[in-house]
Amino acid sequence: NAGVTQTPKFRILKIGQSMTLQCTQDMNHNYMYWYRQDPGMGLKLIYYSVGAGITDKGEVPNGYNVSRSTTEDFPLRLELAAPSQTSVYFCASSYSDRQETQYFGPGTRLLVL
Amino acid sequence: GQQVMQIPQYQHVQEGEDFTTYCNSSTTLSNIQWYKQRPGGHPVFLIQLVKSGEVKKQKRLTFQFGEAKKNSSLHITATQTTDVGTYFCAGREYNFNKFYFGSGTKLNVKP
Repeated sequence: NAGVTQTPKFRILKIGQSMTLQCTQDMNHNYMYWYRQDPGMGLKLIYYSVGAGITDKGEVPNGYNVSRSTTEDFPLRLELAAPSQTSVYFCASSYSDRQETQYFGPGTRLLVL
Repeated sequence: GQQVMQIPQYQHVQEGEDFTTYCNSSTTLSNIQWYKQRPGGHPVFLIQLVKSGEVKKQKRLTFQFGEAKKNSSLHITATQTTDVGTYFCAGREYNFNKFYFGSGTKLNVKP
């Protein structure tokens, strides 16, 4: 098992550009999450999904969109990049609400200039 | 809304000293998880506590969940340089599918 994989590892965007952060898991987990971590801070939940076709907002959803067309993939879309979105983005997955261990991907470091 | 506060923000200890980080929630939690993040790495799950007053041990690490299920602590006995990193708690409310992370405690261990 590769676990949770994220691409790209690092990206520089100009203000107003768009991009999609990819997240894939091969553990057949139902639950998937997107977090952002600003320097020296904790993780803030952006969006989460409890299964294919179901997504919901977290604490800081503004400026982002997600989709969950398959169990394996949970891409995060930034439509109009802003400097405030400079952060490290982590994708995580868990099997269910009873086995809630979250497995994190290696992260995507995003810089918006 | 749900808030999870974690203290201290930083802790510098000499190798062999003990270390404790505390987590407090503004609401009663269904469960709480602890994670460790090494510098430049991603969070790694350590443990989950579910029951009121629960205490769990992992070698030199002791985790506690308060009786009211609103606070938790992680205690490391006789720290080692391999303990360096940031420790996060993450609390989940009842009937919600999301966790709220504390801001973390960054532990530095001097050899």
